[in-house]
Amino acid sequence: KAGVTQTPRYLIKTRGQQVTLSCSPISGHRSVSWYQQTPGQGLQFLFEYFSETQRNKGNFPGRFSGRQFSNSRSEMNVSTLELGDSALYLCASSSLTGGNEAFFGQGTRLTVV
Amino acid sequence: AQSVSQHNHHVILSEAASLELGCNYSYGGTVNLFWYVQYPGQHLQLLLKYFSGDPLVKGIKGFEAEFIKSKFSFYLRKPSVQWSDTAEYFCASYSGGGADGLTFGKGTHLIIQP
Repeated sequence: KAGVTQTPRYLIKTRGQQVTLSCSPISGHRSVSWYQQTPGQGLQFLFEYFSETQRNKGNFPGRFSGRQFSNSRSEMNVSTLELGDSALYLCASSSLTGGNEAFFGQGTRLTVV
Repeated sequence: AQSVSQHNHHVILSEAASLELGCNYSYGGTVNLFWYVQYPGQHLQLLLKYFSGDPLVKGIKGFEAEFIKSKFSFYLRKPSVQWSDTAEYFCASYSGGGADGLTFGKGTHLIIQP
């Protein structure tokens, strides 16, 4: 059974640009969540999607957005990148929304210069 | 908002020593608790989870945990650690509604010395 796949693994972007990250959940999982991991703030919840609907959203500015497709694949978009957006972005999939164990991908390392 | 506080940021142990890592969570209602591990260069992996029932739970790789409701605490234990247990360990909570998704602690960096 394939795990959670995130692409790309590494990205370097310039301030002011936008970026799109992709996540393919484990087959059959309908819940996808996104987290930001930084040395200073640790792991912080961005948002969760279930059956193409955003179910929950963390405390991040509107520059951070996401969506989920009918095949449960999810994308996360960050517009007008800032230096502080440099982080490891993790995607997690679950079989049911919330509460159940989440399976994490390897993450996308985003560097904003 | 929920919060999770891990008792130690860094722990150094010798091989064969016993391990205990603790965390406290803030939510007063029904809560699901998890311990995740992140080995160097690898993704977060679930070690074990507590949802309800027996407060002693067993996980993978010989890890076990104890949920102490009266102390809002969740302890991760392993009787005898190995060098390969060197990793970052994260405690996480999830409450009903999940408005905050999984709430993670800051992590405990565990180093096992041969």
